[in-house]
Amino acid sequence: GAVVSQHPSRVICKSGTSVKIECRSLDFQATTMFWYRQFPKQSLMLMATSNEGSKATYEQGVEKDKFLINHASLTLSTLTVTSAHPEDSSFYICSAQAGGRVDTQYFGPGTRLTVL
Amino acid sequence: DQQVKQNSPSLSVQEGRISILNCDYTNSMFDYFLWYKKYPAEGPTFLISISSIKDKNEDGRFTVFLNKSAKHLSLHIVPSQPGDSAVYFCAASNRGATNKLIFGTGTLLAVQP
Repeated sequence: GAVVSQHPSRVICKSGTSVKIECRSLDFQATTMFWYRQFPKQSLMLMATSNEGSKATYEQGVEKDKFLINHASLTLSTLTVTSAHPEDSSFYICSAQAGGRVDTQYFGPGTRLTVL
Repeated sequence: DQQVKQNSPSLSVQEGRISILNCDYTNSMFDYFLWYKKYPAEGPTFLISISSIKDKNEDGRFTVFLNKSAKHLSLHIVPSQPGDSAVYFCAASNRGATNKLIFGTGTLLAVQP
């Protein structure tokens, strides 16, 4: 089946530093990847849609200068949280779309970010 | 504005009985609905979906019912098994416009042996 990996699975950083999270589709190519954020006991909130070779599309309220997304290849998208603050602590999940249908989105295992 | 809602944060069911998870939505433009299962520290995995032109879709022990007039869908699991214990998210999409998924808040299902 389609597998999506994320690295790292867990990261702790100091306030003011930047953190990069990688999302890889291991056995398929994904022209579109999505980045979500989940707060405790809340739903997955879509942050941005990442298309290979073009700029990401951010959802309303998401700061694009703070959450930098790069989708440099058909198997890799990265999310960089710049100048992280404690309020950025959250669970970040990516998904990669294998085909044109919405039910062909496959999710990564997520990255737990803790900003001290 | 929560467009997709799961009003029951948790549900406990005996093994072998039916589990019914509910989901309500507000946006009438949604035309495709999905259920995902999620274990702790893992990403959601797709379970079953339904198009707005149907009112029922069945896959093994899992059945999804859609009531468009009530903007309500439900997932039935029968018989429930301990391995079904997880958080279940419903999600909605307007496939004609986008592949974005709007998720509900999730329901934690505990199946007791």
